[in-house]
Amino acid sequence: DSGVTQTPKHLITATGQRVTLRCSPRSGDLSVYWYQQSLDQGLQFLIQYYNGEERAKGNILERFSAQQFPDLHSELNLSSLELGDSALYFCASSAGTGGLQETQYFGPGTRLLVL
Amino acid sequence: GESVGLHLPTLSVQEGDNSIINCAYSNSASDYFIWYKQESGKGPQFIIDIRSNMDKRQGQRVTVLLNKTVKHLSLQIAATQPGDSAVYFCADRTGFQKLVFGTGTRLLVSP
Repeated sequence: DSGVTQTPKHLITATGQRVTLRCSPRSGDLSVYWYQQSLDQGLQFLIQYYNGEERAKGNILERFSAQQFPDLHSELNLSSLELGDSALYFCASSAGTGGLQETQYFGPGTRLLVL
Repeated sequence: GESVGLHLPTLSVQEGDNSIINCAYSNSASDYFIWYKQESGKGPQFIIDIRSNMDKRQGQRVTVLLNKTVKHLSLQIAATQPGDSAVYFCADRTGFQKLVFGTGTRLLVSP
C-alpha cells in the first residue's frame, strides 16, 4: 500500500458526460501528479500540483482540468467525455516539488469506461 | 511513444532463475532513473532508483545497473518468484522535469 488513495475505483459513464476523480496523497506529500494509462499510449503524464499550485503540465487535454485543495487532496475533472478517454487514471504523490531523486508513489488508479 | 498492453515485450522465466529487464533511454542529460512494477489492476509500485553519478545500486533481490555511455538501464531480479510476475517500467528524469516512462516489459514467471 503506497499511502495514496483514489476514488472511485471504477467509473462507467456515457460520451459527453463529466466526471471527477479524487486523489489523496500520502501524508506529508505536497505534490500530486495525474497520469493516464491506456492500452496504446502507456503512462502519460497529465499535470502536477504542488502545495495547491499548478507546477507542471503534460499532455492534458483542454477538456480536462485539475486542482489541489488546501488539504492537499486533488481532483481531476474530465468533461465532454469521448470513447477514447477510457483508460486508467493514476494519481501519484511526492514529498516536495518533484526534483532530484524524489520518488513518486502511485495510487491504485481509477478505471474509467466511456460508453 | 511508450506502449503497453498487447504489444508489450515479454520475458518468460522459470521460478528461481535470475531475470534481467532492459530499458533504453534517449536523453543523455537524464540524471535520475527509477523502476516501477505494475501488477494487474494495480498502480505502479516503486522498486528501486539510481542517480546518474552511480552505475549500480542494490536492493532486496533487485539490482539496477546504469550504463550512461550507451544510455541503458537494466533491472536484475535474483531468484525470481511467481509474485514477481508483472509489468516493469523504467522512467527517467532530467532535473525538475517530468518523469518519462519507457515501454513496459511483461515478466512472466512460471513455477
